[in-house]
Amino acid sequence: GESVGLHLPTLSVQEGDNSIINCAYSNSASDYFIWYKQESGKGPQFIIDIRSNMDKRQGQRVTVLLNKTVKHLSLQIAATQPGDSAVYFCAEKASGGYNKLIFGAGTRLAVHP
Amino acid sequence: DAGVIQSPRHEVTEMGQEVTLRCKPISGHNSLFWYRQTMMRGLELLIYFNNNVPIDDSGMPEDRFSAKMPNASFSTLKIQPSEPRDSAVYFCASSPLAGMGYNEQFFGPGTRLTVL
Repeated sequence: GESVGLHLPTLSVQEGDNSIINCAYSNSASDYFIWYKQESGKGPQFIIDIRSNMDKRQGQRVTVLLNKTVKHLSLQIAATQPGDSAVYFCAEKASGGYNKLIFGAGTRLAVHP
Repeated sequence: DAGVIQSPRHEVTEMGQEVTLRCKPISGHNSLFWYRQTMMRGLELLIYFNNNVPIDDSGMPEDRFSAKMPNASFSTLKIQPSEPRDSAVYFCASSPLAGMGYNEQFFGPGTRLTVL
């Protein structure tokens, strides 16, 4: 079956450092991979996505890397700020179409001053 | 735009009672999704609609759960009868119609349901 998982449940970083959140996926047929951020008491918020025919995509302070060989996805946050503290989910768009997403378990990012 | 609107934000009920959660998607979005989030199971897709039509309800846990979308601006998720294990945060999300591609899903603030 299709599944998305995360290596680390909690990541603690110092303010100003770079953060790397990792994710493993199992379905090689997935065509989109997405990162969402969820702050306490709020719904998930889209950060960045990457299509399966790409291996890197950059946004504002964030970079997503896709390694299809080992089915690995990562989110890099540059110069991590206290406002980045949240739970981060990777998700894959299920093969077969439409907009159905399968979410991973989530990684909590704690940024310390 | 106000974003996806969900009501109520919090619901506390007793086992056996009927619970109705409501969602107003972003205007112009044709796809609507209902998710459930728990510590044990994470974020699970329950059902989604395209153009008010249910496309995939394989995530609906059992017959006690039902969802409707009578028009493009309103959807409900009903649990009857409710059980303590239904306690969770329920999210509604909407997106433009993606067809076979992908479009960003916009999540509402969620409804925290507690069944005693």
